[in-house]
Amino acid sequence: QVQLVESGGGLVKPGGSLRLSCAASGFTFSDDYMSWIRQAPGKGLEWLSYISGSGTTIFYTDSLKGRFSISRDNTKNSLYLQMNSLRAEDTAVYYCARDRCSNGVCYHDYWGQGTLVTVSS
Amino acid sequence: EIVLTQSPGTLSLSPGERASLSCRASQSISSRYLAWYQQKPGQAPRLLIYGASSRATGIPDRFSGSGSGTDFILTISRLEPEDFAVYSCQHYGSSPRYTFGQGTKLEIK
Repeated sequence: QVQLVESGGGLVKPGGSLRLSCAASGFTFSDDYMSWIRQAPGKGLEWLSYISGSGTTIFYTDSLKGRFSISRDNTKNSLYLQMNSLRAEDTAVYYCARDRCSNGVCYHDYWGQGTLVTVSS
Repeated sequence: EIVLTQSPGTLSLSPGERASLSCRASQSISSRYLAWYQQKPGQAPRLLIYGASSRATGIPDRFSGSGSGTDFILTISRLEPEDFAVYSCQHYGSSPRYTFGQGTKLEIK
């Protein structure tokens, strides 16, 4: 069965960096787009970025302003999110999700359990 | 950028009742690009509906989606205790790629 397990969250000071990982299993990882989505405490979901199966196509939401970088290692079935210049408003649970795409339409059919990132001094 | 507005913010109903949750887009969208997710406290979201009306694998048939243009509805025909959760709609577009509504909390009355 499809499993996605995030790791790497924790407490970081404003201006600091963190690298999140998502270990995937149960499917052919290199076939699928993958996304990072976050949810601030008590707030709604916010999509951040996605990456194609080959890693050649990447999109980010505009609000990240180049501070975050998505990548993947298909040899390790892993997805990553490098987060730099972190701010208090980046405090959230970060989810990785598989993007199921068909006929030009995509949606997230499997999600990890999330990893909490807290940005505070 | 498409903005999705969900209403009501909170819906209080009893088990056995019918629930109708609204998702309104700021401009007309193709129904192909509209999905619904369920999220329970402390859990990851779960895909319920994609393409506005297609149920995801394993989703009970009491869940249904409908709508077109700017107005979309998630209907739960008869509420079970496990259905009380937060429901979010999502649009797949161009920029940003995905947009979520702010969510509707379905609570037990």
